[in-house]
Amino acid sequence: SYVLTQPPSVSVAPGETASITCGGDKIGTKPVHWLQQKPGQAPVLVVYDDDDRASGIPERFSGSSSENAATLLISRVEAGDEADYFCQVWDVTTDLYVFGGGTKVTVL
Amino acid sequence: EVQLVESGGSSVQPGGSLRLSCAASGFTFYSHWMHWVRQAPGKGLVWVSRINADGSSTGHADAVKGRFTISRDNARNILYLQMSSLRVEDTGRYYCVRDLATRLDYWGQGVMVTVAS
Repeated sequence: SYVLTQPPSVSVAPGETASITCGGDKIGTKPVHWLQQKPGQAPVLVVYDDDDRASGIPERFSGSSSENAATLLISRVEAGDEADYFCQVWDVTTDLYVFGGGTKVTVL
Repeated sequence: EVQLVESGGSSVQPGGSLRLSCAASGFTFYSHWMHWVRQAPGKGLVWVSRINADGSSTGHADAVKGRFTISRDNARNILYLQMSSLRVEDTGRYYCVRDLATRLDYWGQGVMVTVAS
């Protein structure tokens, strides 16, 4: 089955840039979506189709994708960005939806 | 405003059954694929099941195949998840989710399912 790999945690100082990677075999051939989940809340879509921001999401959030990794960047990080971030794809070969294991972003 | 409201969560013994419901409003329910996604306490998101817009095609994760069935009533704007032969590892919060071109763009608040003896 298709596997997406994320680092368990990322720490960043306020005002700096957080980079979250999502690795997968030939992930560059699939649209990658990113979700943010704050404690006690449902997930929220932040970036879709590799690099499009969802409605209401600040421009500080951006995405990109290459052959075997997708990246979510959060620039000028704020305390309110502390959350778990999950990447997600649809694997057309198996018709399964797949999530990465999630990355906890901590603002120092 | 898109709203997805789950119900039916409960505590059940291993081997038991449960049916979750999700009432949808604020969008053309019959136009969208829909999903169930679960999250065990303190763990990540796990995709469970999906159904296409008219209900003619479904898909399930290997972990629940043969035990869970997803269905929908487009006349009443309701999504269902029938769960049987429940296991301890099925414990978690179950989210009803809308699909738009493979992205999961709206999530309900979820409902808790606990499987324990």
